[in-house]
Amino acid sequence: NAGVTQTPKFRVLKTGQSMTLLCAQDMNHEYMYWYRQDPGMGLRLIHYSVGEGTTAKGEVPDGYNVSRLKKQNFLLGLESAAPSQTSVYFCASRRTGVGTGANVLTFGAGSRLTVL
Amino acid sequence: DAKTTQPPSMDCAEGRAANLPCNHSTISGNEYVYWYRQIHSQGPQYIIHGLKNNETNEMASLIITEDRKSSTLILPHATLRDTAVYYCIVNYLHGSSNTGKLIFGQGTTLQVKP
Repeated sequence: NAGVTQTPKFRVLKTGQSMTLLCAQDMNHEYMYWYRQDPGMGLRLIHYSVGEGTTAKGEVPDGYNVSRLKKQNFLLGLESAAPSQTSVYFCASRRTGVGTGANVLTFGAGSRLTVL
Repeated sequence: DAKTTQPPSMDCAEGRAANLPCNHSTISGNEYVYWYRQIHSQGPQYIIHGLKNNETNEMASLIITEDRKSSTLILPHATLRDTAVYYCIVNYLHGSSNTGKLIFGQGTTLQVKP
């Protein structure tokens, strides 16, 4: 059981280039999230999705777009990368519904992005 | 904004109990307290959560004050592998407004020393 898988793990971009980070989960979770983490800071929510075909903005959505065409996948796109987007990106997912485990997030291992 | 306040760092001797405090004075009646930790360069890992009763699992214990305005995560016998950043988060568990957006603050960096 792989859980949450992020690809790529590392990427270096030049300013203005575009790229997509892929998050895949095999737990049939409804909710998926993209966070970014910068040195010395906690995780900040970029975008999230409460189900296939839905997306919503988090705390720091500017400069990013997301898509959730399939339930198991949540894509994070950078249309024109900027040095300020140099960060470690984490994807997470959780199931919906009630129950004490419903709000527990499972995280991926992270994707380290450097924009030169 | 994070709804919790945690000390930025703490030290603990290996083998001793590590007690990590968290203030959440604005917590509402149906919000739960969640704890996660993040070992260097890895994704955060869920530890435990609770509403008002004390909770214990194989990783830790969670003590929530009667007024629910603060809580303490207890690692009973800290090891070097427990060195990590620990995040305390409050969030709704149920309800139509529950999107599950967990807002992470800066957490507490726990350094377990030999």
